[in-house]
Amino acid sequence: DVKVTQSSRYLVKRTGEKVFLECVQDMDHENMFWYRQDPGLGLRLIYFSYDVKMKEKGDIPEGYSVSREKKERFSLILESASTNQTSMYLCASSFVGSRAYEQYFGPGTRLTVT
Amino acid sequence: QKEVEQDPGPLSVPEGAIVSLNCTYSNSAFQYFMWYRQYSRKGPELLMYTYSSGNKEDGRFTAQVDKSSKYISLFIRDSQPSDSATYLCAMSAGGNEKLTFGTGTRLTIIP
Repeated sequence: DVKVTQSSRYLVKRTGEKVFLECVQDMDHENMFWYRQDPGLGLRLIYFSYDVKMKEKGDIPEGYSVSREKKERFSLILESASTNQTSMYLCASSFVGSRAYEQYFGPGTRLTVT
Repeated sequence: QKEVEQDPGPLSVPEGAIVSLNCTYSNSAFQYFMWYRQYSRKGPELLMYTYSSGNKEDGRFTAQVDKSSKYISLFIRDSQPSDSATYLCAMSAGGNEKLTFGTGTRLTIIP
């Protein structure tokens, strides 16, 4: 059974804190993605990575950074959390190339910044 | 204007009804068209995909793509309470291009 796991289901942080969200996949996928999901805005791509140590900005990268030191692990970092980063964060992974449309998602981390 | 438009609903229908969910898009480069289903407090999961225009059927689900109108649909026949979820359309130009998602339609099937 394929699996994408995220380090926390719920997280509460204070404004200005540095926040780490971890994602691990066990499917040997090349691609990994970080999205945020907000009511009325849908899923928006923050960053993605198509290989170890590679990263590409998505549609809304401001205020975020990422790290991919191993193929199976992709971390999202909020350098200085702000209240407008309160959201559901979803990690996903897929094979590279023609099957890239088939993304597997983790259960999400609901982050609240107070 | 958003690249992908989807009616957010919510949509409530009685059990057994036929459900029609739709998305429109503006980017003519899109070649792959997907429907993801997301249950409450879960991540989305791929339900169906279609390449280019045409229909695709899988059990009670049928996906349709009309590229000339830039319009895609998902039909659910004999709807069941277990179909209650948020349905997200997604599109891609293919290769390793990123997916562009609609905002999702929340569907409730009433027993």
